[in-house]
Amino acid sequence: DGGITQSPKYLFRKEGQNVTLSCEQNLNHDAMYWYRQDPGQGLRLIYYSQIVNDFQKGDIAEGYSVSREKKESFPLTVTSAQKNPTAFYLCASSPNGDDSRETQYFGPGTRLLVL
Amino acid sequence: GQNIDQPTEMTATEGAIVQINCTYQTSGFNGLFWYQQHAGEAPTFLSYNVLDGLEEKGRFSSFLSRSKGYSYLLLKELQMKDSASYLCAVRDPFTGGSYIPTFGRGTSLIVHP
Repeated sequence: DGGITQSPKYLFRKEGQNVTLSCEQNLNHDAMYWYRQDPGQGLRLIYYSQIVNDFQKGDIAEGYSVSREKKESFPLTVTSAQKNPTAFYLCASSPNGDDSRETQYFGPGTRLLVL
Repeated sequence: GQNIDQPTEMTATEGAIVQINCTYQTSGFNGLFWYQQHAGEAPTFLSYNVLDGLEEKGRFSSFLSRSKGYSYLLLKELQMKDSASYLCAVRDPFTGGSYIPTFGRGTSLIVHP
């Protein structure tokens, strides 16, 4: 089955700790995205990548980092610099990120909680 | 800049019809999406409009008026499983990169018996 997987489903972070959220897709999509969702808020773009070894900051990149070493993988690290990391994190992918009709496909999400 | 507005919450009765509105103000326009998101789950694609008019897909229809910066999602014959958040997202080629849509805050729809 083709799709996007995110792990873990729930993640707990201690103060001052970096944590990494996994996102893998087997759809052969070029473009991948990370969004953050807070209660009562829409999805806000953290980072996106159109191609391997290249990525761009979104609207709220501060305190986050990403890598795109493989086409199918786009992990997100929430660093200790992110002071309010508690949120629902969604990863998405699309075929190549430059077609206006293109639909994004979303993973099941990771809920990050701060202890 | 971009501004996308949706009502925060709506309630409706099973079997009824509900219309969820979305208004937007963007520098440019290159398509509008509607997604459905159940609590704690991933958004799933419902519809895409880039030209004015109504697109019908089963119980769901989506309408767009580019001149008014307005869209609505129409849900007919409501079922309890339609209780979810409905996200409006607009693509603006002059904001961000790679045709990435900007999402509204979502409308939480509660369907009651």
